[in-house]
Amino acid sequence: DTAVSQTPKYLVTQMGNDKSIKCEQNLGHDTMYWYKQDSKKFLKIMFSYNNKELIINETVPNRFSPKSPDKAHLNLHINSLELGDSAVYFCASSHHNEQFFGPGTRLTVL
Amino acid sequence: AQSVTQLDSQVPVFEEAPVELRCNYSSSVSVYLFWYVQYPNQGLQLLLKYLSGSTLVESINGFEAEFNKSQTSFHLRKPSVHISDTAEYFCAVIWGGTSYGKLTFGQGTILTVHP
Repeated sequence: DTAVSQTPKYLVTQMGNDKSIKCEQNLGHDTMYWYKQDSKKFLKIMFSYNNKELIINETVPNRFSPKSPDKAHLNLHINSLELGDSAVYFCASSHHNEQFFGPGTRLTVL
Repeated sequence: AQSVTQLDSQVPVFEEAPVELRCNYSSSVSVYLFWYVQYPNQGLQLLLKYLSGSTLVESINGFEAEFNKSQTSFHLRKPSVHISDTAEYFCAVIWGGTSYGKLTFGQGTILTVHP
C-alpha cells in the first residue's frame, strides 16, 4: 500500500541516451511534483502538475519533459542525457499543502 | 528572491543531549513551514509542519519547532536525542499559501548523534 512509488529505483545510462522515470500515487491527490536532489543534497523543484495540467515549470532544460496521463501518474522523460543530469529525482504529491515524497530514483549518467 | 537558510550544515551531538537545528527564511509574508527528515539512501519524510494556529508544533518522536514571525525563523529542537535520530534534516517553505505551492528547501543539516 505504498503511497507514492517511483520506478526504477536506480538508473545507470550513457550520455546521449533517452530515459524515463515513472511515478504513481494512490492517495487521491490532485497535485504532483518532480524535485531534483543534486550531489550536494540540495533539493529543487522542477515541475508541478495539478489535475494533469502543468502549473510550475522551473527553468528546466527542454530535454526534460513531464507527462501526466492521469492525476495519479506523473512521468519524467529526459532526452539526450548529460553528465550533469546525474542526481536523485523525487516525485511527490500533495493535499492541503502537505507533500508526500516517493523513495527517489538515483540516476547516474556515465 | 525568496530563500531558506539552514545555518548549520553539520551538527554533531552526544546521545541524550539537546539539539537545535536552525532555519531562517527570507520573507515574512504568508508562509507554510515544514521540516523533513531524510535517512541515508531513503526518501523524504515529513517530520512536522506549521500551517496556522499555534506557533509551536510537535512531532510524534519528540521533535518540536516554533514559528517566529518577527525573526522569520522555524528552528527545530529536541530535548534529548537518540542514535536513531542521525539523519539529514531539511527545512522547507511554501510562500503565499496557494493550495499547490512549491516547496523551497534549505541546504540541509546533517545531524550525527554519537554514543
